[in-house]
Amino acid sequence: DAKTTQPTSMDCAEGRAANLPCNHSTISGNEYVYWYRQIHSQGPQYIIHGLKNNETNEMASLIITEDRKSSTLILPHATLRDTAVYYCIDEDAGNMLTFGGGTRLMVKP
Amino acid sequence: GAVVSQHPSWVICKSGTSVKIECRSLDFQATTMFWYRQFPKKSLMLMATSNEGSKATYEQGVEKDKFLINHASLTLSTLTVTSAHPEDSSFYICSARDLWLGGLSYFGPGTRLLVL
Repeated sequence: DAKTTQPTSMDCAEGRAANLPCNHSTISGNEYVYWYRQIHSQGPQYIIHGLKNNETNEMASLIITEDRKSSTLILPHATLRDTAVYYCIDEDAGNMLTFGGGTRLMVKP
Repeated sequence: GAVVSQHPSWVICKSGTSVKIECRSLDFQATTMFWYRQFPKKSLMLMATSNEGSKATYEQGVEKDKFLINHASLTLSTLTVTSAHPEDSSFYICSARDLWLGGLSYFGPGTRLLVL
């Protein structure tokens, strides 16, 4: 079973920042926080991951709380193509990924 | 980099036939590959884990004789759905992992199977 909880759905205006929360209150010291997204009828796409420090790449930023029990994925300027289901997963590096329900993000014009 | 392909992208077959789906890591060697299935409006469910050169490990409730997995090389894993039935119709997705890439898993585009 998935070990994270995420809101079922969120809306975001095009051009605005999309902030997607995730709770992982049972995360252990060795487990990373991974974010993937799945655009309709495609395979999941890796976005970003982190252990305890905040991370940023060309796609997004990941903010992890100091106690590591929650995190937020930030898409700084959402576009219509960012409409997708976003999955937050906590897992040891290299382990299989267990997907929960994810957050369905709808970016609206 | 880190591209995973699947073939075919979609397939329609008659009930009772077998279907083979290929998963390839194009620019890295995948020591481990994972097979998932996804029903409409549902999340991905892990079916099995395959390590190169050894038998696959199946998740509880997944029939190993029905879903045959072969991982004969570091760049290719195959999933064969034997004696397919309409309830096997689903979206099958593979992922490949190489520990040299920090243990990240990269996913294929998926194969949509429709059994008539």
